[in-house]
Amino acid sequence: LAKTTQPISMDSYEGQEVNITCSHNNIATNDYITWYQQFPSQGPRFIIQGYKTKVTNEVASLFIPADRKSSTLSLPRVSLSDTAVYYCLGPPGTGANNLFFGTGTRLTVIP
Amino acid sequence: GAVVSQHPSWVICKSGTSVKIECRSLDFQATTMFWYRQFPKQSLMLMATSNEGSKATYEQGVEKDKFLINHASLTLSTLTVTSAHPEDSSFYICSALGTGGQETQYFGPGTRLLVL
Repeated sequence: LAKTTQPISMDSYEGQEVNITCSHNNIATNDYITWYQQFPSQGPRFIIQGYKTKVTNEVASLFIPADRKSSTLSLPRVSLSDTAVYYCLGPPGTGANNLFFGTGTRLTVIP
Repeated sequence: GAVVSQHPSWVICKSGTSVKIECRSLDFQATTMFWYRQFPKQSLMLMATSNEGSKATYEQGVEKDKFLINHASLTLSTLTVTSAHPEDSSFYICSALGTGGQETQYFGPGTRLLVL
């Protein structure tokens, strides 16, 4: 059973850039890494997905180094509404090489 | 696109009764869906993998006779909590596997179950 590893919590002031790093040492060759955002009493919401190097969309950037054993979610200029739990995840499913939900990172944005 | 719905959004039931939760992919077909359970301030725990037209695959420690899963169509999977007890009270979330090759999960909004 392989899980991702992330910092349990982070605090940031409004307007700052936030970088959350996730370790996934057992990622398989063909696996993509996906990041989700979850608010209380809601299902996780897709943020961004990548395989290697850098991916950017309208809400975030994702950096994955060449060895792909980690990934970093970058949120530019966070606001109070970005306060949530952020999870990195590999493909779903059973099996030792699949990545299950880890603890996630609870981001608190401070005014 | 890639919207997943769940019904009901919350349910309160008496101990010993059964509760059915529906998970639907609204704008895409999903041969594979997943059911998760989440306790307060904890992460999501995968309960089972639901495959259209075949039996579900349950994670270790999840009782298949307790949590019945049916995936009768490409857009609907149901989870039935049989003979529910207070310890089954939790937040149940489903996800559907999107198309496109990257195995992206799209999650439903969750169902809050309270067993009295």
